[in-house]
Amino acid sequence: SYVLTQPPSVSVAPGQTATITCGGSNIGSKSVHWYQHKPGQAPVLVVYDDTDRPSGIPEQFSGSNSGNTATLTISGVEAGDEADYYCQVWDSTSDQRVFGGGTKLTVL
Amino acid sequence: QVQLVQSGAEVKRPGASVRVSCTAAGYTFSNDGISWVRQAPGQGLEWVGWISGYTGNTKYAVKFQGRVTMTTDTSTNTAYMEMRSLRSDDTAVYYCARAGGEWYPHEHWGQGTLVTVSS
Repeated sequence: SYVLTQPPSVSVAPGQTATITCGGSNIGSKSVHWYQHKPGQAPVLVVYDDTDRPSGIPEQFSGSNSGNTATLTISGVEAGDEADYYCQVWDSTSDQRVFGGGTKLTVL
Repeated sequence: QVQLVQSGAEVKRPGASVRVSCTAAGYTFSNDGISWVRQAPGQGLEWVGWISGYTGNTKYAVKFQGRVTMTTDTSTNTAYMEMRSLRSDDTAVYYCARAGGEWYPHEHWGQGTLVTVSS
C-alpha cells in the first residue's frame, strides 16, 4: 500500500515561514491535497491539486510537489495557524485514498 | 451554502453495529460523492471509504472491507455509513465529506460524530 510520511512536528516563531513536507514514492506524479485540523473542529482544506487554494484560504498557504516530496508552506505564521496538518493523495494503483500521519504545527 | 449535518453521538458494545448519517444541503447531492474519514483519540485522519451520490458505487479502505457498508438515499440527500463487529479501537470521531470523485479533495465536511465502543 502507498505510504505518505510527514514529520510529527514542526515549530516556528510568529511571522516566520513554516514548511511541512510529505514524502511518498514518486508523489510528484499524484495530486496532493492538504488539510488543517484543529481540535474539536472539522478539517479544513487549505491546498488542493498540489498548488491551488480554495476560496477563502489566505495566500499565506502555498503548496508544491515534485519528485518524492510535496510541501506545504505557510508564510507569516500566526498563533491561529497552530494545528495538525495532513497531506492526502489518491493511489490509483490500490484504488485507495491515503492520508499522511499528520504534522503538528506549534507557533512558539 | 453547502452543509453536511451528521447524526448524534453513539455508544455501542463490542460486537455491535453502528449507522451514522450525513444529510447534505446546498448542492445537488447526486452530482457528487461522500467520503467517510475517522480520527481515533490521539491518532491521525484515516479514510474509511467513498460512495458516489449518482451511481451508489463504493470504494472502501482495505482495512474496513467486509465490515463497512455505505449507502445513500437521494430522496433525502442523506448518506449512511454502517460499521459492524465494532471493537474498542473503532472508537473515533467519524466525519463525512463531500467529494465529487473518489480522488477529489474534501472541501466540505460534516461536524463529526463520536462513536464510542465500550463494554
